[in-house]
Amino acid sequence: SQKIEQNSEALNIQEGKTATLTCNYTNYSPAYLQWYRQDPGRGPVFLLLIRGNEKEKRKERLKVTFDTTLKQSLFHITASQPADSATYLCAGGLNTGFQKLVFGTGTRLLVSP
Amino acid sequence: DAGVTQSPTHLIKTRGQQVTLRCSPKSGHDTVSWYQQALGQGPQFIFQYYEEEERQRGNFPDRFSGHQFPNYSSELNVNALLLGDSALYLCASSFGGGNQPQHFGDGTRLSIL
Repeated sequence: SQKIEQNSEALNIQEGKTATLTCNYTNYSPAYLQWYRQDPGRGPVFLLLIRGNEKEKRKERLKVTFDTTLKQSLFHITASQPADSATYLCAGGLNTGFQKLVFGTGTRLLVSP
Repeated sequence: DAGVTQSPTHLIKTRGQQVTLRCSPKSGHDTVSWYQQALGQGPQFIFQYYEEEERQRGNFPDRFSGHQFPNYSSELNVNALLLGDSALYLCASSFGGGNQPQHFGDGTRLSIL
């Protein structure tokens, strides 16, 4: 079945460092990937979208890459801050008329002062 | 501008009962998707509604059904509740299908006793 895999272990980093989160997909080829942030008790919040024909996308301190050969996306947060602490979800979708996102389990990021 | 609103926020039911969850999409959005998120897991796609019709469906049994009203709001109905249905139920809205970012509500926490 279509699967998005993210590292289930929490990522602990120090403030000011770059956080890198990994998303791998198996058994399908998503046309695009979306990244979301989820805080405890809240719904996910959209951050970035990258299409299969794009190598890299940036938004402020965020950068996402999409490597269709490795079947992997990397999500980077530069100059991380304690306020960046949250769970980050990767989701893949196909180019059908209507969207059916497949989400990974998410990676929890903890940024220490 | 109100975002996606869901009601109720919490609900406790017993096995075998039926439940209805409600969602109002973000203003200007016409497409509503429902997701189930178990503790520690990513959201799992249940189905998507557009123009009052179910357009996409995930791997959920027929006990899960939905409806979209002319004002784009939506309901999720679950019959014959099982213990395993305990989860956070998220509603997401977007304008049209395709790869549009999903705007999520904060969900309904459903507990089955």
